[in-house]
This record gives sequence, structure tokens and C-alpha cells, in this order.
Amino acid sequence: ILNVEQSPQSLHVQEGDSTNFTCSFPSSNFYALHWYRWETAKSPEALFVMTLNGDEKKKGRISATLNTKEGYSYLYIKGSQPEDSATYLCALHAGGTSYGKLTFGQGTILTVHP
Amino acid sequence: DTAVSQTPKYLVTQMGNDKSIKCEQNLGHDTMYWYKQDSKKFLKIMFSYNNKELIINETVPNRFSPKSPDKAHLNLHINSLELGDSAVYFCASSQGFVDTQYFGPGTRLTVL
Repeated sequence: ILNVEQSPQSLHVQEGDSTNFTCSFPSSNFYALHWYRWETAKSPEALFVMTLNGDEKKKGRISATLNTKEGYSYLYIKGSQPEDSATYLCALHAGGTSYGKLTFGQGTILTVHP
Repeated sequence: DTAVSQTPKYLVTQMGNDKSIKCEQNLGHDTMYWYKQDSKKFLKIMFSYNNKELIINETVPNRFSPKSPDKAHLNLHINSLELGDSAVYFCASSQGFVDTQYFGPGTRLTVL
């Protein structure tokens, strides 16, 4: 069973603060790491798919980095806005017997206060 | 234009009944999935299909039977519903297994 862990579980920040959170995963048999943004009462929305060690991806104020050798990814939000409030999920796609499925972390719940 | 749609959005039913949830994607993707959001809010894979073929069956009770009549549809039929089946079920699709998955809006199933 693959263990994908996210920290912290929840985070409260003020509008304008920059923030980051972590996704840890087993580094063996790595295929891809996905980040999703999940707003309450909506469906998960893809942010990034990262496949190469050292990958950095950016979408507006949100960016992510990937270290496959040590098994972690960071998601950064610069200048948080109230509309960034959501659960941020990472999901691992591994090879071997896990090929073909995503294993999700439990998510980091971000609340941005105006 | 809804990329991945599910019906119904809410389903309330009695224990022991049989029910189906439908999923359709208009993205032209080859791969479709069913996920269950458990009581701890984790998303867990149940099934995946590639070009109408079952690829992953993640130790789901055989009361759950997915059916893919064509590449654009993956329906979930559940027999003899139990209280523990109450959850939100999400359908998703992607072009290939490593690619971004696009999720439907979810179906909240409540078994009384």
C-alpha cells in the first residue's frame, strides 16, 4: 500500500501571505505526481502533473516543485487570496503493481482570511 | 459544456436496493475511473477502464459492477446496497494513465 502524506493538514493565512505545503511519497517506482485543487461542493480541478526530478511548474500565483529522489513535492501560493481557500490534494502515480491508478494524500485545507 | 458529467447528483435509497450511477465524458479520453470518497474524505480508486476494458479493480465488493458501453461512458451499478455504501462517488477521465484526470461533480449516495 502506497503512503502519500500531506502536511500540514490545515492552514489558516491572511490575505496577501505567501504559503507552502508538502506532499511526501515513496520514491521507488515513481511515474508522476499530480496536484489538484478541490473547492467545497465542487470536483477536484487539476493544477499540475509533474514527472521529472527537479520539475518546477507555475500557474499564476501557484507553483510546485518536485524531488523524486527524496520523495517530496512542494506547492507554493504567492500572495494568497480568499478565493484560494480550498483543499489541495497531491496524488502519486507509481509503477509496478500500482501502475494505472492515483493514490491520493489526505489533502491540506487552506483557509485565506480577508 | 460539461466535460465529465454524472447522474444523478444525489441518490437516496433503502438498504437492499439496486441502483446505478451514470458517467459520461465528452473529452475524447480513452481512460475512465470511479473513485469513492470515504468517511475520512480520502479519494480512493475503485475501478479504471481503458478503451472499454477493465484495467483496475481495487478489491471492491462484487456488488459493485462497472459497465462501459463505449469509450465515453462508464456506469456504476450497485446491487444490494448497504449502509456502508453511503459516500460520494466521483467519476473521472484521462487520455492516458499518467495524464491529468478530469473529475465529474460527484454523486452523493445515501443508503437508509
